[in-house]
Amino acid sequence: QKEVEQNSGPLSVPEGAIASLNCTYSDRGSQSFFWYRQYSGKSPELIMSIYSNGDKEDGRFTAQLNKASQYVSLLIRDSQPSDSATYLCAGWDNDYKLSFGAGTTVTVRA
Amino acid sequence: DTEVTQTPKHLVMGMTNKKSLKCEQHMGHRAMYWYKQKAKKPPELMFVYSYEKLSINESVPSRFSPECPNSSLLNLHLHALQPEDSALYLCASSQVPGRGHQNSPLHFGNGTRLTVT
Repeated sequence: QKEVEQNSGPLSVPEGAIASLNCTYSDRGSQSFFWYRQYSGKSPELIMSIYSNGDKEDGRFTAQLNKASQYVSLLIRDSQPSDSATYLCAGWDNDYKLSFGAGTTVTVRA
Repeated sequence: DTEVTQTPKHLVMGMTNKKSLKCEQHMGHRAMYWYKQKAKKPPELMFVYSYEKLSINESVPSRFSPECPNSSLLNLHLHALQPEDSALYLCASSQVPGRGHQNSPLHFGNGTRLTVT
């Protein structure tokens, strides 16, 4: 089983709506999680880090971590066409490797 | 602008060529990474250097040879590659991860798009 699972398929939302992305992880000892945004043909760009239970907000982005349920989520409020990208969830595993989820491709319809 | 710089941005090479990918970071990080990424897939770890020593090799074929000359530089030497090695090659750096405390994220360079003909 992968350390980090990101099972949601492509997500299409209208401009101005909320996009919700989810991720689960298997290692209860994991403490650090990250969301990367990757535009087509470009490299991953860090957009959020979260280490504590609860919510962390940065502009239109909110990351949520629930250690009891072992899930991490990302909300994108007031979605813009420029948010259209693939979002990768990542967390450190037992072997000091950053484990990536499969990614969720978000399309924001104008 | 990224603080991890990769060169070249694009590389086309034949199967008999020898080439090198280069990476430089000025973030003071002591862990550096090579990842390979195919289309519509997440990055796949190849090598990790920690304090300039190779700490992880994910069973990568020997036609890929990493080198870490100092704490700021990371190279990936390529020889006798196959067409299926065509991919985006990503360098990244971070603070050295350790068990029992919060770990910092990876910071990626812009990548090298490699095509093997």
